[in-house]
Amino acid sequence: RKEVEQDPGPFNVPEGATVAFNCTYSNSASQSFFWYRQDCRKEPKLLMSVYSSGNEDGRFTAQLNRASQYISLLIRDSKLSDSATYLCVVNSKGFKTIFGAGTRLFVKA
Amino acid sequence: DTGVSQDPRHKITKRGQNVTFRCDPISEHNRLYWYRQTLGQGPEFLTYFQNEAQLEKSRLLSDRFSAERPKGSFSTLEIQRTEQGDSAMYLCASSLTPGLLRGSYEQYFGPGTRLTVT
Repeated sequence: RKEVEQDPGPFNVPEGATVAFNCTYSNSASQSFFWYRQDCRKEPKLLMSVYSSGNEDGRFTAQLNRASQYISLLIRDSKLSDSATYLCVVNSKGFKTIFGAGTRLFVKA
Repeated sequence: DTGVSQDPRHKITKRGQNVTFRCDPISEHNRLYWYRQTLGQGPEFLTYFQNEAQLEKSRLLSDRFSAERPKGSFSTLEIQRTEQGDSAMYLCASSLTPGLLRGSYEQYFGPGTRLTVT
């Protein structure tokens, strides 16, 4: 089993749709969680950190369920510019950073 | 631009040759990471520095790979006797140490060096 698993995708949605990505992690000692966005042939860029209480940044909402070892990202009112690969990232104590394989999103007009 | 920079951006080499990549982190960041990414996969951790000390290396980092960060600033990643399987994007990232100025581990990535071994 992979340490971080994401929905395989791709997700094809129309503009204005709401889309949710899921991610599970296997290490119960994991401490920090993030969502990164990666455009084609570009470097990953931090989208948002994920906090236990859940957090929202504009159209983006991230949730963490430590008991189920599950992270989610919700995108509301999808824009064409949201088309990218979304990477779930989990840190254990210290430095160890594990990336999921990513979920590709295509938003169509 | 005060972000993470990497050089070169692209490298084409013949199998068996040695290559060296450079990473310049964000200046106040004392942690520096190297990752490798292949098509359709997320970045895979290779190694990590805290200042000049290399604190961890992945099993992925064979003895043909070596990384240095001699003065705790820029870092180099060398691959000796390259193989076709080494073809990938090599990403560098940097971060602050958690608990100092920031309480989390956000890493900021450079644009990567795309290696093609022919």
